[in-house]
Amino acid sequence: DTEVTQTPKHLVMGMTNKKSLKCEQHMGHRAMYWYKQKAKKPPELMFVYSYEKLSINESVPSRFSPECPNSSLLNLHLHALQPEDSALYLCASSGGQGFDEQFFGPGTRLTVL
Amino acid sequence: KNQVEQSPQSLIILEGKNCTLQCNYTVSPFSNLRWYKQDTGRGPVSLTIMTFSENTKSNGRYTATLDADTKQSSLHITASQLSDSASYICVVSALWGAQKLVFGQGTRLTINP
Repeated sequence: DTEVTQTPKHLVMGMTNKKSLKCEQHMGHRAMYWYKQKAKKPPELMFVYSYEKLSINESVPSRFSPECPNSSLLNLHLHALQPEDSALYLCASSGGQGFDEQFFGPGTRLTVL
Repeated sequence: KNQVEQSPQSLIILEGKNCTLQCNYTVSPFSNLRWYKQDTGRGPVSLTIMTFSENTKSNGRYTATLDADTKQSSLHITASQLSDSASYICVVSALWGAQKLVFGQGTRLTINP
């Protein structure tokens, strides 16, 4: 299995809702990433987990809460989001050994009403 | 400042024609450079990855070049197909932060029949 999967593909939520995005990989990778991508812009790094520990948090607002239950799974919990948080959320994984290639998932298109 | 600049911002060519996309970077110390293809609303897919010692790397109809002295890279697409319509993103990794990629703004390529 050489892919990163993400669910759901699309998500519409209100500003008072709580929802979660899920990401899964079975390549034995030890680093997993969350990116946010607005239209016609490159991906922006949000969080990095290395060996199931949060190693990078790019000053992301607390309404985004990452979780790494095990080395294959990565969640992003969403609460009290704003309309400007609407974007494509991408998950990626890499071997974890420094300069490994990052493999991206197909993304979750999030719309906040 | 660590930056990656791509040109042109957008490009339209006829099916079957060749094209070349450019990438200039100021990321230092340099580790590797990657070209990704991203279809609209989908995650980026890796085309090539090159380290300091590599000048050229091919992946089917895609050929990437790297000049580490001038800090320039190019992606040449041969005999373009309609499915090549996508954004092409140049991404550079530095030795100081292999997990924090520096993304270019991308070139939006449209192939017309």
